[in-house]
Amino acid sequence: LAKTTQPISMDSYEGQEVNITCSHNNIATNDYITWYQQFPSQGPRFIIQGYKTKVTNEVASLFIPADRKSSTLSLPRVSLSDTAVYYCLVALDTGRRALTFGSGTRLQVQP
Amino acid sequence: EPEVTQTPSHQVTQMGQEVILRCVPISNHLYFYWYRQILGQKVEFLVSFYNNEISEKSEIFDDQFSVERPDGSNFTLKIRSTKLEDSAMYFCASREGVGDTGELFFGEGSRLTVL
Repeated sequence: LAKTTQPISMDSYEGQEVNITCSHNNIATNDYITWYQQFPSQGPRFIIQGYKTKVTNEVASLFIPADRKSSTLSLPRVSLSDTAVYYCLVALDTGRRALTFGSGTRLQVQP
Repeated sequence: EPEVTQTPSHQVTQMGQEVILRCVPISNHLYFYWYRQILGQKVEFLVSFYNNEISEKSEIFDDQFSVERPDGSNFTLKIRSTKLEDSAMYFCASREGVGDTGELFFGEGSRLTVL
């Protein structure tokens, strides 16, 4: 499984854009990149998934360069409720391969 | 919106006792998972289940653990002879299947405290 590396923590203020970068140098051709969010004492929640270039949904954007060795999760105009741990995962897009969570990035949003 | 439900939300048990954690995955999902998270640590994969059999398991999932889908809706994790280090939050997750978005839907978790 491709190993991911992301910052342990980040701080931001309400209304700012937050970009969390994840490196996955040994990503395989068939791997997808997925980001999850976890609030304290809750299960992780899917945010976004992509394979290449840019993906955008109502919550976030995911930027993936051509070499796919890294990805950046972009959260526009964060609020206090975006304070959470964000996990970058890389895995084959098949149900048989379990997702492995790394340590994640703890985002603290200040007022 | 369909969701994964887990019971109990919190269970306290004595060391050496057996515990069964229950999960009801989303009804049309085909893949089921158990993860655990020790307080302050990362989410760890335990086991995945598909077509009524284990498809993958981690080194954590030893003979102390077992999973079962006793009927068409429940998915259980049994921990035999619990140890202090089994204290953690246990999350059940399910996924629709191949060709889906790849999203894992997690339950709210069952907190296990072993005394």
